[in-house]
Amino acid sequence: GAGVSQSPSNKVTEKGKDVELRCDPISGHTALYWYRQSLGQGLEFLIYFQGNSAPDKSGLPSDRFSAERTGGSVSTLTIQRTQQEDSAVYLCASSLSAGRDEKLFFGSGTQLSVL
Amino acid sequence: GDSVTQMEGPVTLSEEAFLTINCTYTATGYPSLFWYVQYPGEGLQLLLKATKADDKGSNKGFEATYRKETTSFHLEKGSVQVSDSAVYFCALRGALNNLFFGTGTRLTVIP
Repeated sequence: GAGVSQSPSNKVTEKGKDVELRCDPISGHTALYWYRQSLGQGLEFLIYFQGNSAPDKSGLPSDRFSAERTGGSVSTLTIQRTQQEDSAVYLCASSLSAGRDEKLFFGSGTQLSVL
Repeated sequence: GDSVTQMEGPVTLSEEAFLTINCTYTATGYPSLFWYVQYPGEGLQLLLKATKADDKGSNKGFEATYRKETTSFHLEKGSVQVSDSAVYFCALRGALNNLFFGTGTRLTVIP
């Protein structure tokens, strides 16, 4: 497709279960970013990839969160043993490169609800 | 670490009023600065950017000037319209080329 695609668009899970969120960036974009948007919390940086490597993982909230990117394209964000405070919209974005003035293109997000 | 602090909202203005949304930053080196906008029901999109001190970014009647001396990048528009109602995010590209966002400011413009 032409834009950043995220799946699923909505995910409801039970506390303690693992979830996987997927992001398909725009073709040819080498940089990929994950953010979390919680009500009243703005956009929280989680991790970004340049190619398949992650220069900055500092935003991952805990060791329950992990992300990988393979083939310089699709990325998955995995949350293990989900907690209610993990409920949020998880946004993925990509850019042509991680250059200083590159703009990000955002997906529509995955709304995660942990019951 | 690198961060942005953004004026808290919500902000409600009448049509044709003047808008300012404050944004200040903390960063090592010389970051690039951005404003992103999220219209109702849509994803975030870039509104404007500035990559060095004294640069002015502008788009759709909005402007912001990169002020190194005050570490600020305030968003302004001279005459807002109902269609400008959205959430506005200030953002900074840090030393590791990651991109940090502020908490967002919700603007509502009433006719």
